[in-house]
Amino acid sequence: DIQMTQSPSSISVSLGDRFTITCRASQDIGNYLSWYQQKPEKSPKLMIYRATNLEDGVPSRFSGSRSGSDYSLTINSLESEDTGIYFCLQHKQYPWTFGGGTKLELK
Amino acid sequence: EVQLVESGGGLVQPGRSLKLSCVASGFTFSNYGMNWIRQAPGKGLEWVAYISSGSSYIYYAETVKGRFTISRDNAKNTLYLQMTSLRSEDTALYYCARAKVSQSLDYWGQGVMVTVSS
Repeated sequence: DIQMTQSPSSISVSLGDRFTITCRASQDIGNYLSWYQQKPEKSPKLMIYRATNLEDGVPSRFSGSRSGSDYSLTINSLESEDTGIYFCLQHKQYPWTFGGGTKLELK
Repeated sequence: EVQLVESGGGLVQPGRSLKLSCVASGFTFSNYGMNWIRQAPGKGLEWVAYISSGSSYIYYAETVKGRFTISRDNAKNTLYLQMTSLRSEDTALYYCARAKVSQSLDYWGQGVMVTVSS
């Protein structure tokens, strides 16, 4: 199975800061990676698909990138509504696997 | 508006069975692959199973293979998850989710809780 190692597991960030979450894939997943945001008591929401593509309706301060086996989600100029838990998902190979999640809180 | 509504959850004893349903609306259900994803209380997400639009391709997580069966009825716009030989570790909130062309999960239901306990 492909392992997705996500970091950090939690972080406190100030409003207006820039923040990056990273998932490292244990095997090549060829950009078959997506990012999700989950708010308390809510279903996950797709933010980025195919590593770099912004889902419709997602603010442009969110972006996705790749460097080798590292896939990153960056939030520029953090807003209060961006708090929550973020997960990556590889869908290159079954079984699909999620990263462990990153809990983003406001400082 | 795309909607996915799960049902069928509840409290069940270990070793028993339960069948979840997910009714889809607002899109052409028969054109999309569908998934079940679960989340144990306070934990992360775990992909459980996938079924292609015409049911030709089906995949399972190792943790449920042989115990769970994913199926769909395109005429009824409904996705199912038949769960047998349930264990305490199957306790989770179960989501159905649509797979878009890129295979990412673009719409999720609200989730249905399954609790396995004696």
